[in-house]
Amino acid sequence: QSVLTQPPSTSGTPGQRVIVSCSGGSSNIGADSVSWYQQFPGAAPKLLIFNNNQRPSGVPDRFSGSKSGTSASLAISGLQSEDEATYHCAAWDNSFKGWVFGGGTKVTVL
Amino acid sequence: QVQLQESGPGLVKPSETLSLTCTVSGGSISNYFFSWIRQAPGKGLEWIGYIYYSGSTNDNPSLEKRVSMSIDTSKNQLSLRLRSVTAADTAVYYCATHRDFWSGSDAFDNWGQGTLVIVSS
Repeated sequence: QSVLTQPPSTSGTPGQRVIVSCSGGSSNIGADSVSWYQQFPGAAPKLLIFNNNQRPSGVPDRFSGSKSGTSASLAISGLQSEDEATYHCAAWDNSFKGWVFGGGTKVTVL
Repeated sequence: QVQLQESGPGLVKPSETLSLTCTVSGGSISNYFFSWIRQAPGKGLEWIGYIYYSGSTNDNPSLEKRVSMSIDTSKNQLSLRLRSVTAADTAVYYCATHRDFWSGSDAFDNWGQGTLVIVSS
């Protein structure tokens, strides 16, 4: 049971906009920034978004992040077949005194 | 960016101690905070703990104090030990760097490839 709540899966067609949600609480998302990670099968996660909405160098701008209150979202605009992967959210938790993750959302490109 | 490479036994018996090493190349280990993170088969990510070269550590309370972490600056390596393992500790174990530990915008910006550890007799 993950501390942050993500839907197990979502899907979209090429070119579509897909949103992945991440719900937490006042001690984690409500208190600190959110990061997002992209993971392909058999590979390590890769940082996609940090500080709620900032992209590391090299991450396409079709990936964007936002946060409101105790929830965060990752949006993928202009969905491409290569975006088919699992996406994880994470945040520091002030009560737990550690990092917490969502269970991951598998994005399927139809 | 530094490169991270996890290594260690792929099979550990129940009740024994899991020991892993993360070798850091392409940079000084003293410049980073590191975390260990694991992923059970088909599951999400779970933070295990972080360590700094000074020896400062913090680990996941849910692991009930079974974790110990250390850094060897002379070898540019960090180590993880997890005691009294059970089948629930079967997972891929990753080491990762923190991009800006003291800021409010920290994240895990660089990951090793991970190593699978199976707990079984």
